Amino acid sequence: GESVGLHLPTLSVQEGDNSIINCAYSNSASDYFIWYKQESGKGPQFIIDIRSNMDKRQGQRVTVLLNKTVKHLSLQIAATQPGDSAVYFCEGSPGRRALTFGSGTRLQVQP
Amino acid sequence: KAGVTQTPRYLIKTRGQQVTLSCSPISGHRSVSWYQQTPGQGLQFLFEYFSETQRNKGNFPGRFSGRQFSNSRSEMNVSTLELGDSALYLCASSLVLAGSDTQYFGPGTRLTVL
Repeated sequence: GESVGLHLPTLSVQEGDNSIINCAYSNSASDYFIWYKQESGKGPQFIIDIRSNMDKRQGQRVTVLLNKTVKHLSLQIAATQPGDSAVYFCEGSPGRRALTFGSGTRLQVQP
Repeated sequence: KAGVTQTPRYLIKTRGQQVTLSCSPISGHRSVSWYQQTPGQGLQFLFEYFSETQRNKGNFPGRFSGRQFSNSRSEMNVSTLELGDSALYLCASSLVLAGSDTQYFGPGTRLTVL
């Protein structure tokens, strides 16, 4: 079936701090877990994904952690910048395609 | 390389009308997927087209349809519009079929049904 990521609605952080966005998923059959970023007035933008056989993956300023035991995914953003302000979605997918997303978490970066 | 483009960006229709939205994928991309985004339901998958054939379909009524042309451009049609169809409609393209490549989203078409 379809899975939906559950998110806190809003996260507010100070510029320069590290951000951690959490997500719980329901589809245990997911092969990939994907994070997207959506800025106001734009479509979602792929940030990073992680295979189900991995626990951690790092990108540029971002790290995704996967805990399959508790079906939990997190996105860590280092040295958060104003340009990071957006809504972040997580999802699990049988392939690299996410069929449904949750409502997302809005990250607000305070100057 | 130009990104995914969608036209129009904004659209206002009344109940009962029909609407056609257009999506031009990134050059060379053959897969086009459509999503509906609303505050209450989040982002929901409508359908995916690859090589002019519908390959996957979400859980939407038959009023929602689409097609893909030989140049990979895609159109989505919604007939007999309802108030609940008001949403941001997003198109995403990928190089190959779903499950093997990253999707790139367009800016969306904001549809308002009055």
